[in-house]
Amino acid sequence: GAVVSQHPSRVICKSGTSVKIECRSLDFQATTMFWYRQFPKQSLMLMATSNEGSKATYEQGVEKDKFLINHASLTLSTLTVTSAHPEDSSFYICSAGQSNTEAFFGQGTRLTVV
Amino acid sequence: QKEVEQDPGPLSVPEGAIVSLNCTYSNSAFQYFMWYRQYSRKGPELLMYTYSSGNKEDGRFTAQVDKSSKYISLFIRDSQPSDSATYLCAMRNAGNMLTFGGGTRLMVKP
Repeated sequence: GAVVSQHPSRVICKSGTSVKIECRSLDFQATTMFWYRQFPKQSLMLMATSNEGSKATYEQGVEKDKFLINHASLTLSTLTVTSAHPEDSSFYICSAGQSNTEAFFGQGTRLTVV
Repeated sequence: QKEVEQDPGPLSVPEGAIVSLNCTYSNSAFQYFMWYRQYSRKGPELLMYTYSSGNKEDGRFTAQVDKSSKYISLFIRDSQPSDSATYLCAMRNAGNMLTFGGGTRLMVKP
């Protein structure tokens, strides 16, 4: 099946710094990618839809200035957590797929802000 | 009411048992149905992908979709301790956006 690669798998950063997470579709072109956040023992919460060549669409309650999304090419979307705080510590997951096909997920990124 | 309902469990079964995981949904526009397995601190892994009503089998896994009842199931035969994980159902219409169930935590005891 299609592969979605997410990097890094784990990151620890200091409060106030920014962290960039990459999501790549390795063997297909993804005009749309999705970014999720997952808290322990909970399901995935959609944060935003990343559209290649245009602005991301954010879900209600998600700060777009806090979580910057860039989808500069058909195989790469990035999520930057700006001015991170301990409450931003979470598991972030991206997914990609094409219309009428299955969706594949990255391995996830565990962010810890200290 | 959530669009997709899934019992959170945990569901505990002995090794070798048949496991039945289920989701109900309310949006009749959903056409594509998926089951994902998620191990702790890992991204979801696609197990089964189905379109329209009916059954689909892949090894020990069988996915079942009943659109008339808005009900989908995943059966795991001869369950193994390595099947212990959280299982997420997901579905969508013709677009890309998935709607997830809350996930069911499964524990298979040796």
